[in-house]
Amino acid sequence: GAGVSQSPSNKVTEKGKDVELRCDPISGHTALYWYRQSLGQGLEFLIYFQGNSAPDKSGLPSDRFSAERTGGSVSTLTIQRTQQEDSAVYLCASNYAYNEQFFGPGTRLTVL
Amino acid sequence: DQQVKQNSPSLSVQEGRISILNCDYTNSMFDYFLWYKKYPAEGPTFLISISSIKDKNEDGRFTVFLNKSAKHLSLHIVPSQPGDSAVYFCAASAKNYGQNFVFGPGTRLSVLP
Repeated sequence: GAGVSQSPSNKVTEKGKDVELRCDPISGHTALYWYRQSLGQGLEFLIYFQGNSAPDKSGLPSDRFSAERTGGSVSTLTIQRTQQEDSAVYLCASNYAYNEQFFGPGTRLTVL
Repeated sequence: DQQVKQNSPSLSVQEGRISILNCDYTNSMFDYFLWYKKYPAEGPTFLISISSIKDKNEDGRFTVFLNKSAKHLSLHIVPSQPGDSAVYFCAASAKNYGQNFVFGPGTRLSVLP
């Protein structure tokens, strides 16, 4: 069956540009998460969507970061005016109820 | 302040021996714990979990032990195989506080042939 997919797999951008990262969760999963992993670091929670509830945005590092989840399925993470410290692998995960999360392969973002 | 800690950034073990990965947490409300394995250039994959009502869960070569009083859990892999070489993340959640899973920083396991 189809797992969590993310696009693009790699993104190189110039400092100051906006980027959009996409996540397609597993069909039927009610919860969707965004994390990022900087070089040599663990997984940093960014944002979490659960059904129709207001998202938990407590992990977003600045107001340059935002995310949407349309129709309870696909999610887009937008980073405005990218900075070099935004360079990381951005991981999306989904799950159902309180079960384990299924992760996508990630998007490697490089800000020059 | 890290709520989930993995104090060993790396661990090397000989093939066939036991690998023990440790994880400590600070939030006593955590009631569900998971271990994930991550290979380079891939997303983490779920390995094994344990609920706070249990102190041990076993799945093949993988066993997770939970010591609630010490707020400590460990993952045992026996026998270790070269294919087990990966980064292992410990994660914790509290059902009463929603589904936000808190991840530790990871431990890189190298199984030497």
